[in-house]
Amino acid sequence: GQNIDQPTEMTATEGAIVQINCTYQTSGFNGLFWYQQHAGEAPTFLSYNVLDGLEEKGRFSSFLSRSKGYSYLLLKELQMKDSASYLCAVNNYGQNFVFGPGTRLSVLP
Amino acid sequence: GAVVSQHPSWVICKSGTSVKIECRSLDFQATTMFWYRQFPKQSLMLMATSNEGSKATYEQGVEKDKFLINHASLTLSTLTVTSAHPEDSSFYICSARPLGNSPLHFGNGTRLTVT
Repeated sequence: GQNIDQPTEMTATEGAIVQINCTYQTSGFNGLFWYQQHAGEAPTFLSYNVLDGLEEKGRFSSFLSRSKGYSYLLLKELQMKDSASYLCAVNNYGQNFVFGPGTRLSVLP
Repeated sequence: GAVVSQHPSWVICKSGTSVKIECRSLDFQATTMFWYRQFPKQSLMLMATSNEGSKATYEQGVEKDKFLINHASLTLSTLTVTSAHPEDSSFYICSARPLGNSPLHFGNGTRLTVT
C-alpha cells in the first residue's frame, strides 16, 4: 500500500528554524515533493528531491534519505507568512502522486 | 514556469443543478490531469485522473456518474458536478504535470457552495 506520515500540527516562533518531517512507504519512488498551502488557496510547489541529500532554495531546504523512507523540510528565519500547511508528496510511478495528510504550521510572534 | 488555470474560482449553485469546472494547462500539454477535493482542515483527496482522449480513472468511492470528467484536448479538462447537493460543497483543485521529472502544478481551485 501507499502510506505517508507527517505531524499534524507544529508551532514555532518568528525568526526561528523549524523542521517538518515526512516518512513514506510507497510501491515506487520517482521523487519527493514539498508543497505549501495557505488556507483557502491551492498548493504551491516549494522543493523536491530525487536523490539522497539536501536541496537548498533560499530559506527552504529539503532533505531525502531513500533507504530510510524519510524526508524533511527545513524552514529558516521563520516569518508570519510561513503559517500554512505543508504537504509532502511522493511521485510513486508515472504521473501518480501520493500526498501526505499535511502539517499545519503556526508561526507565533 | 508551468501554469495551470482553473475557472471559476468560486461558484454558488442551488441543489439539483450542475456545475462545470474547467482546468487548462497554459504553456504545456497535459495528457493527464488530476482532480482533487479538499474539505476544511483536511488534506487533498484525489478524486480522479483525467486522461486525454480516453475515460477518466476514478478513485474508490467517487461516483463517476456524479462527477463527469472530460479531457477533450491536451490543454483542457473539465469536471462537471451533476445534480449537486449541499454535501458536495468543497474546494475542488486540478493539477497537471509537464513532461519530465517536474512537480505537479495546481490550478487556483474552485470553491463550490451548494445551497
